[in-house]
Amino acid sequence: DGGITQSPKYLFRKEGQNVTLSCEQNLNHDAMYWYRQDPGQGLRLIYYSQIVNDFQKGDIAEGYSVSREKKESFPLTVTSAQKNPTAFYLCASSPNRGLGETQYFGPGTRLLVL
Amino acid sequence: AQSVTQLGSHVSVSEGALVLLRCNYSSSVPPYLFWYVQYPNQGLQLLLKYTTGATLVKGINGFEAEFKKSETSFHLTKPSAHMSDAAEYFCAVSDLRSSNTGKLIFGQGTTLQVKP
Repeated sequence: DGGITQSPKYLFRKEGQNVTLSCEQNLNHDAMYWYRQDPGQGLRLIYYSQIVNDFQKGDIAEGYSVSREKKESFPLTVTSAQKNPTAFYLCASSPNRGLGETQYFGPGTRLLVL
Repeated sequence: AQSVTQLGSHVSVSEGALVLLRCNYSSSVPPYLFWYVQYPNQGLQLLLKYTTGATLVKGINGFEAEFKKSETSFHLTKPSAHMSDAAEYFCAVSDLRSSNTGKLIFGQGTTLQVKP
């Protein structure tokens, strides 16, 4: 089955701790995206990557970091600099990097602060 | 700046009634437009997409949307609501500031409640 997997489903972070959210796709898609979802605010873009070893900041990149060492993987690290990390995080991918490409979403990871 | 506005954060309909979810966009040129559905604690699923050509777009689960350039709208409709349609719906537009990427701008979402 082709698709996008995110793990874990729930993640708890202690203050001052960095945590990493996993996103893997076996769709052979070039582009990958990370979004943050808060109630009533829609989806906001954190980072995106159009090709291996390259990524760009989105609208709310502060306090987050990513890597794209393999085509199928795009992990997101929530650093201690992100003061309000509690949210639902969604990873997406699209076949190519052009305008109008459909994005396909994973099931999400809910991050909670202890 | 480009934006997407979904009118009504909550819409409630009776089972069997018409569903109408409103989406307006701001853009100087016709963009690509999308509707996604999200069930609780899940990712987003594509309902339908407008690129070019026919302005009435049919999607999955009986939904359709009409692109109206003069009104800068892309409202989502379904003739008869089912209980299983209860979910959150997002309208999105391609980000024309980044013409060589697939970036999207999302609306704030509309929660659809279906009453028996």
